[in-house]
Parts: sequence; structure tokens; C-alpha cells
Amino acid sequence: QKEVEQNSGPLSVPEGAIASLNCTYSDRGSQSFFWYRQYSGKSPELIMFIYSNGDKEDGRFTAQLNKASQYVSLLIRDSQPSDSATYLCAVNAGRALTFGSGTRLQVQP
Amino acid sequence: DGGITQSPKYLFRKEGQNVTLSCEQNLNHDAMYWYRQDPGQGLRLIYYSQIVNDFQKGDIAEGYSVSREKKESFPLTVTSAQKNPTAFYLCASSHHDAREDYGYTFGSGTRLTVV
Repeated sequence: QKEVEQNSGPLSVPEGAIASLNCTYSDRGSQSFFWYRQYSGKSPELIMFIYSNGDKEDGRFTAQLNKASQYVSLLIRDSQPSDSATYLCAVNAGRALTFGSGTRLQVQP
Repeated sequence: DGGITQSPKYLFRKEGQNVTLSCEQNLNHDAMYWYRQDPGQGLRLIYYSQIVNDFQKGDIAEGYSVSREKKESFPLTVTSAQKNPTAFYLCASSHHDAREDYGYTFGSGTRLTVV
């Protein structure tokens, strides 16, 4: 079983819609959770981090964490074509970040 | 401006050759990391270092070596023992403090190709 799992996609949504990206993790000792965006050929850039159960909002982005279910999600409201990228979920269980394989998001104009 | 600089951006390696990828940061971060990314894959941890003169193996350390002689620098050597080195290599840094876990800052990456 992979430590951090994501659906590879592509997830296709129309412009202006809400995109929902999901991630599950296996290590119950994980303390912090991150979402990175990666454009093709570029390095990852941090979008959100969350430590506590519940929701955390930053602009059009909302991260949701449910430690009991070992589940993290990222919602992108009012999706734009510029949001088209691969979104990587990362989890820190104390050593270093463990990354999922990413979900490719396509926002259709 | 603070950041992480990786060089070169592109690197070509011949069979049996060792090559070294450079990573320098001026963020005053304690911890530094090397990841490898293959096409369509996530990032896999090669080595990491939480303080100067100390480093630990990650999940795929075989065929790689590192050094951490200065806080700012964490070079990665890809040795001839690494049989499939073609990949995108990413260096990252962070504070080594659970109270300041704001994630990693990444360099722009080095794309290594075996020719």
C-alpha cells in the first residue's frame, strides 16, 4: 500500500466550477499536510498547509483534513484555466515529506 | 532575494560517469532534501540533512551520495552505480522545527539524461 495515495486523473472541470482533489495517507502519526501545485516541467510550489482537523481557507483554495479517516482534500473554487496543473499531496510523519503521485487537473475554458 | 539555486538546469551523463548536481540556499534553513521525480510520478526521497555534517538516507539512496559541509550547500552526486539515473532532480529546504513546519521551498530542478 502506498503511503500517500491520489487519483492520477485527469480531473476535468469547466471554468468557474469547483475542483475537488482528494488524498489519503497511511501513517496515523502524520502531523502536517501540504498541497503543492506543479506545472509541467517546473518545480512544485506550495499552495496550502493544514495541521488541524477541519477546514482552512485561503482565497479560492480550501484544504480539509480528517485525521480519523486519514483523508485530506483541496477545493478550488471558481476554477481558472491557469489552475490546470498537477496537484501533489504531501504528508509529514516526522522524517521528511512523503508525496503522492499527484492529480492532474484540467480546467476547460 | 532568498531562495534555492540548483545547477545546472540540464545535465547529460555518459554511461559509467559520475556527475554532481549543485544545490545552494540563502534562506537560512537548517534542513535540506533531495528528491527524484520520474515522468508521471510523485517525488521520491533520496537523501536529507537536518544539520551540517549529518545526513540520512531516504527511500532510494542506492547509487547516490551527498555531503553537507556548509549550511547553505547540499550537493548530490549521481554515481555510475545508479543504473537508471534519467529523471528530474529537485532540491528543497525547510526549517527544522516542528513549530515552524511551513513546508518546503524547492529549487527549479535539474533534468538529468543518460546519453
